[in-house]
Amino acid sequence: DTAVSQTPKYLVTQMGNDKSIKCEQNLGHDTMYWYKQDSKKFLKIMFSYNNKELIINETVPNRFSPKSPDKAHLNLHINSLELGDSAVYFCASSQGPPGTQYFGPGTRLTVL
Amino acid sequence: AQSVTQPDIHITVSEGASLELRCNYSYGATPYLFWYVQSPGQGLQLLLKYFSGDTLVQGIKGFEAEFKRSQSSFNLRKPSVHWSDAAEYFCAVVTGNQFYFGTGTSLTVIP
Repeated sequence: DTAVSQTPKYLVTQMGNDKSIKCEQNLGHDTMYWYKQDSKKFLKIMFSYNNKELIINETVPNRFSPKSPDKAHLNLHINSLELGDSAVYFCASSQGPPGTQYFGPGTRLTVL
Repeated sequence: AQSVTQPDIHITVSEGASLELRCNYSYGATPYLFWYVQSPGQGLQLLLKYFSGDTLVQGIKGFEAEFKRSQSSFNLRKPSVHWSDAAEYFCAVVTGNQFYFGTGTSLTVIP
């Protein structure tokens, strides 16, 4: 049973396109997160949702929009993709901040 | 501002040797502390965590870490490294509702 799953695992697309990454957790957690990991392995939090409400919204371009239809899902939609958006995106979940975070396997996004 | 420092970007050890990965944090109170491991092409897996109590915590895969308040450190140790331990290791601090990760230490294990 996968605790935190993400789809797709790989995403290759052209500049200017719009894409979405989906995340689902079956741990019953109430908080979900999106992280971006760059080529130097640096992890930066992008968003956090608690009970479907946005609680962390770091400085990211407004081309990135998270959507949480329910507590088990947090999707990331990216408009007008740019070369600099190429990275690995990780979803995570926890039972309330500051609980232990459990990570998904990541989505490697490549923008050509 | 809170921060997490992992001073060693890359460490190489021989299989069977002991290992210590350093982590220092900057925070006024005692934070929640974590170590995660990321194998190539994989997500992050929790190794161990410290919230309170005994300052020496045991984790999975034979890892342990010791919280030292006086040094603001939470160093990760393993007495005998296996080739499968080669990976990226991240220290993390949670304060309030924010998770702060260190920049990671890449571990290479040589036969």
